[in-house]
Amino acid sequence: LAKTTQPISMDSYEGQEVNITCSHNNIATNDYITWYQQFPSQGPRFIIQGYKTKVTNEVASLFIPADRKSSTLSLPRVSLSDTAVYYCLVGNMYSGGGADGLTFGKGTHLIIQP
Amino acid sequence: SAVISQKPSRDICQRGTSLTIQCQVDSQVTMMFWYRQQPGQSLTLIATANQGSEATYESGFVIDKFPISRPNLTFSTLTVSNMSPEDSSIYLCSVDEGQGNSGNTIYFGEGSWLTVV
Repeated sequence: LAKTTQPISMDSYEGQEVNITCSHNNIATNDYITWYQQFPSQGPRFIIQGYKTKVTNEVASLFIPADRKSSTLSLPRVSLSDTAVYYCLVGNMYSGGGADGLTFGKGTHLIIQP
Repeated sequence: SAVISQKPSRDICQRGTSLTIQCQVDSQVTMMFWYRQQPGQSLTLIATANQGSEATYESGFVIDKFPISRPNLTFSTLTVSNMSPEDSSIYLCSVDEGQGNSGNTIYFGEGSWLTVV
């Protein structure tokens, strides 16, 4: 099982770049790394997914080192509205990975201050 | 991404009663799931709703307590049976739009907030 470890909480300020790291030491060959964002009283929202190296979209970047044992979600120039819980999931049920890719850990509570 | 609608969005239920939550998706999807999120906690996967067959339940969840239906590729229901205050949670319907050559990409409905009194 590819379990993940994230910091419980992080603080930052508006306009800063925020990097949240997730450790997944026993990631399997076919596993993908996916990040979600959740605001209070809402369902989680897909942010970004990657397999290796770097992925960037209009919201964030995802950096994955060559050994894939960790990943870093990078949020550029955060605002107050980025205050949320961020979850890192690792798995791939399409390659027999079971429910790993569907399993949410405790997530990282990111608080952005003015 | 698929648009997922849940009903009810919120309800207050009496102890010992049952409530059925409906989930409607605006497109056909293969994989549908039900999650529970208790206050202040992370999400817990209850089961995979399988079209035309019995749901696949995760450890700690049983069909008698959480019966699930999936009559077609756009609709599913979750029933929370014989409710107790411990069942007070947000229940979330979700679909996976990942492809066979990528990982899981899960999209969620807005959830159904149940309070059991």
